[in-house]
Amino acid sequence: GQNIDQPTEMTATEGAIVQINCTYQTSGFNGLFWYQQHAGEAPTFLSYNVLDGLEEKGRFSSFLSRSKGYSYLLLKELQMKDSASYLCAVSAGGGGRRALTFGSGTRLQVQP
Amino acid sequence: EPEVTQTPSHQVTQMGQEVILRCVPISNHLYFYWYRQILGQKVEFLVSFYNNEISEKSEIFDDQFSVERPDGSNFTLKIRSTKLEDSAMYFCASSAGTSVYNEQFFGPGTRLTVL
Repeated sequence: GQNIDQPTEMTATEGAIVQINCTYQTSGFNGLFWYQQHAGEAPTFLSYNVLDGLEEKGRFSSFLSRSKGYSYLLLKELQMKDSASYLCAVSAGGGGRRALTFGSGTRLQVQP
Repeated sequence: EPEVTQTPSHQVTQMGQEVILRCVPISNHLYFYWYRQILGQKVEFLVSFYNNEISEKSEIFDDQFSVERPDGSNFTLKIRSTKLEDSAMYFCASSAGTSVYNEQFFGPGTRLTVL
């Protein structure tokens, strides 16, 4: 099976930077995905990492270390609208499997 | 921008009844998925569908569940005999499918309430 851990809640200040960590244990790793989910809404894709290193996408960056089973999502210049849950998801199992296994999500509260 | 659509947005049913949840994936996408999210819990994979057949399914997707692509645009999830524990938000998703790294686009969800 797969195990994905991320903090339950985080609080940060508008304009600041926040890092949301995710650790995972899996076999046949394909890739790691980050999704944003506002309350009552669908997950929306933010980024994915396949190889080790940092992927930057505007205010959002995601990092992956496959040897450590570790990823983080970095949000810069926080805005109030960034208050949401951030879901770490892993695709694994090899053989072209595409099913995503999600973590429980990190609820981020951005304060003025 | 193309998007995944789902109907209905909210479905209320009695325990033991059959429900069909409908989805229209993005038109040029090849892979289709169903996920569910019980209130306050994590998003869980149910099934993926490619080339008119199931390609993967989870332990949740038992004999009470089935999927179908009845025409060129719709993708449906049927629950034959609903249980109280089937109450959840059901998300349809689709991806281009050319790579395992393709982004999965999620629809707005159908909230299923089983009484």
